[in-house]
This record gives sequence, structure tokens and C-alpha cells, in this order.
Amino acid sequence: DGGITQSPKYLFRKEGQNVTLSCEQNLNHDAMYWYRQDPGQGLRLIYYSQIVNDFQKGDIAEGYSVSREKKESFPLTVTSAQKNPTAFYLCASSRRGTGLSYNEQFFGPGTRLTVL
Amino acid sequence: GENVEQHPSTLSVQEGDSAVIKCTYSDSASNYFPWYKQELGKRPQLIIDIRSNVGEKKDQRIAVTLNKTAKHFSLHITETQPEDSAVYFCAPSGNTGKLIFGQGTTLQVKP
Repeated sequence: DGGITQSPKYLFRKEGQNVTLSCEQNLNHDAMYWYRQDPGQGLRLIYYSQIVNDFQKGDIAEGYSVSREKKESFPLTVTSAQKNPTAFYLCASSRRGTGLSYNEQFFGPGTRLTVL
Repeated sequence: GENVEQHPSTLSVQEGDSAVIKCTYSDSASNYFPWYKQELGKRPQLIIDIRSNVGEKKDQRIAVTLNKTAKHFSLHITETQPEDSAVYFCAPSGNTGKLIFGQGTTLQVKP
């Protein structure tokens, strides 16, 4: 459980507004990830970062942006270009990046974003 | 991209029965095979995982079996209890560290 926090838990935004979701971890993990989950579906990868100041697009990066200025923080911005942003957003972290033999990811509690 | 499929999509069992969920993947480079449990509105939590050099792993009532040749792995839950009711996801991973999640299996354990 502990070690990864996301805020806020619930977020409401008007169409056309950008919004930033927070993700912080104190597990000293190198890699961090953002996923989107829609009702009744699996998790889809938005962005991931294996090291500070570097990140890569996942499968559904359009309309999203991230930064990784600190090891413990990986904020996600949902921009107005994301056409259907209402979803449950999950942040995760893992101990290492590429060339892993051990990839367990630990998840934060999630942020439920609703566009009004 | 990699294709991951889970079967069945829903599973209903009586308390005390066993449940088996199968995950098929396409990337032959996959080397890490976890199963996550997600209760309604909560975060996914790892319940068991296995690496490619092992064929089976057991933790109390939960086990995972891996068939790398056929590219599938399965979750086995014995003596099911109502608190096992949740959505279960497989998420095989290769050297990139990226987990590719299946669509999930909703398990209902009837008391």
C-alpha cells in the first residue's frame, strides 16, 4: 500500500481545461508509470519514465503530457486535446527500468477524473 | 504490439471450489508473469508472479503455472472464499519493464 500517493482522489474539470494529476513515491524506485482504466477494462499505458529527466510514450499518449524532474515525482497533465478524458488514472512505480529481471509494479490509489 | 488475452472474462464459482484463469500472450521475449487483483474502486495489487525460469509457483491457496512454449500462464485459486471476488489481471512483461495488461477476469465467489 504505502509509498505511492496520488492526489486528488476525485477531480472534476470543465471541457477545455488542462488538469494535472499528482503522483509521488518514497520507495526510491527508478521507474514510474501512468495508466488509464475505463470501466470494465484493463489498464492502458499512457507514459512511463525509467530515469529522471527521461520519459517515453505508452500506447495512448495523445492528449497527455508528463515531466520527471525528480525521482520521486511524475505528474501527469491531461490537456484539452484529450477527447475523452473521463477515466480512472493509476500511477505506478517499480524498482528498475530497462533490462530488468524483476518488474513488480506498485500502484497508487488512483485519481478518478470526470469531465463535466 | 504485444497481444494479451485472458479467459474467461467472467467466472462464477461456489465457495470452496477452485478457479482457474488463463492468460495467453504473443511476445516470446516476455520473461515476467504477474497476476494482479483489483477490488472495486481500488488499486491493483500483486498477488503472485513468476519468472521465465520457473514453471510453477505456489503461495497458500494461490498458484501460477507457466508454459513458455505455448505462451500462456494460468492463475489457480483453490478453496475460494467470498473475499476472493474481484477482477484479476494478467500482465506479462519483457525486458522493457512495461506490463501489458489483459482485459481482466471478473471472479464471483458465491457463499
